Amino acid sequence: GAGVSQSPSNKVTEKGKDVELRCDPISGHTALYWYRQSLGQGLEFLIYFQGNSAPDKSGLPSDRFSAERTGGSVSTLTIQRTQQEDSAVYLCASSLEVSGANVLTFGAGSRLTVL
Amino acid sequence: SQKIEQNSEALNIQEGKTATLTCNYTNYSPAYLQWYRQDPGRGPVFLLLIRENEKEKRKERLKVTFDTTLKQSLFHITASQPADSATYLCALDSISLIFGSGTRLLVRP
Repeated sequence: GAGVSQSPSNKVTEKGKDVELRCDPISGHTALYWYRQSLGQGLEFLIYFQGNSAPDKSGLPSDRFSAERTGGSVSTLTIQRTQQEDSAVYLCASSLEVSGANVLTFGAGSRLTVL
Repeated sequence: SQKIEQNSEALNIQEGKTATLTCNYTNYSPAYLQWYRQDPGRGPVFLLLIRENEKEKRKERLKVTFDTTLKQSLFHITASQPADSATYLCALDSISLIFGSGTRLLVRP
């Protein structure tokens, strides 16, 4: 597609439920990133994929968080047993490495509210 | 520990002046540094990239400097306009791309 597409754009859920967030990157982009942004805060790195593998999962806050990427394209971020502190905007970005540098193109984000 | 620091206080300037934003980092040795702009409710948008062997990069009214000895990058917007009001984020390459917390710029008409 023309840009990075994320769904849902907004999700309200009850504490304890599982949620799944989807990211559709730009076609041909090999790298995919997930970040989390709480209100008024900076971007917190969660996980990075190169192709289908995740060289860096260091940012996942707990074992309730998992992510996968299949076919080198679409990625899903799953949060199990959601907590109120999981409320944030979840941003996905994709990139193509050019001359050793990754320039990210971000989606609009999925706003998660846990009641 | 590794840190990327940007001024958390908003920068408030008069239209037409030059805005200067700072990004300092510790315990990183980035091959390059990037600056992004973020508007409310949107994802960040890439502005400029500067490599470790470059001292300065320009794009229209934007200028970025990179001092690997001081471990600092400065981001300048000359002849600022109210439309430049946004949050500006710096980012360093580590295993992935790590962002600073951003500085909000307000340009008064």
